[in-house]
Amino acid sequence: KQEVTQIPAALSVPEGENLVLNCSFTDSAIYNLQWFRQDPGKGLTSLLLIQSSQREQTSGRLNASLDKSSGRSTLYIAASQPGDSATYLCAVKGGSDYGQNFVFGPGTRLSVLP
Amino acid sequence: ETGVTQSPTHLIKTRGQQVTLRCSSQSGHNTVSWYQQALGQGPQFIFQYYREEENGRGNFPPRFSGLQFPNYSSELNVNALELDDSALYLCASSSPFGRAGSSSYNEQFFGPGTRLTVL
Repeated sequence: KQEVTQIPAALSVPEGENLVLNCSFTDSAIYNLQWFRQDPGKGLTSLLLIQSSQREQTSGRLNASLDKSSGRSTLYIAASQPGDSATYLCAVKGGSDYGQNFVFGPGTRLSVLP
Repeated sequence: ETGVTQSPTHLIKTRGQQVTLRCSSQSGHNTVSWYQQALGQGPQFIFQYYREEENGRGNFPPRFSGLQFPNYSSELNVNALELDDSALYLCASSSPFGRAGSSSYNEQFFGPGTRLTVL
């Protein structure tokens, strides 16, 4: 059974800092991994999608890496801003045993202080 | 291009009642997935519909059922509501891909969710 964990559970940083969020998964047979942002009580906003054959993806100040063999992904946020405050979720899309659904981690709650 | 929409935004029901939640997928997407998100947790997969057929199901009892219509919109029905069904229900749509086991992949786009409270 695929399990996804995220460290840290919560993070508070001053504005301008670079930070790294971690995601670990137990079964390396994945199709892809997606990072999402969720504001309180809202739906999920897709940030980056990394296919299983890729090592990293970049979008603006965000960079996500994937190491399938070790079951890890990191989301790097450069020059953090108060508007980045949200919960960040990673989700892995498993192999055929899991159908076409995503397995989510519990999220990292980020606060960026002005 | 319109995004994923869900209705209603909020809903309050009492234990034992039935509820129907609705989702309209993003234009061009024929696959819809439903997730349940309890407070402080990540979303849990309920089931997925592809071309009007169920295409994968998570660990949820049969009182959670769904439909997908020819226009690819979808419904989630929950019978005999329990207090633990209180959660944010999220719908996600994705671009065309093969059935379970396919090597195809896709990006999921989520709606704003429906907040269900069971009293």
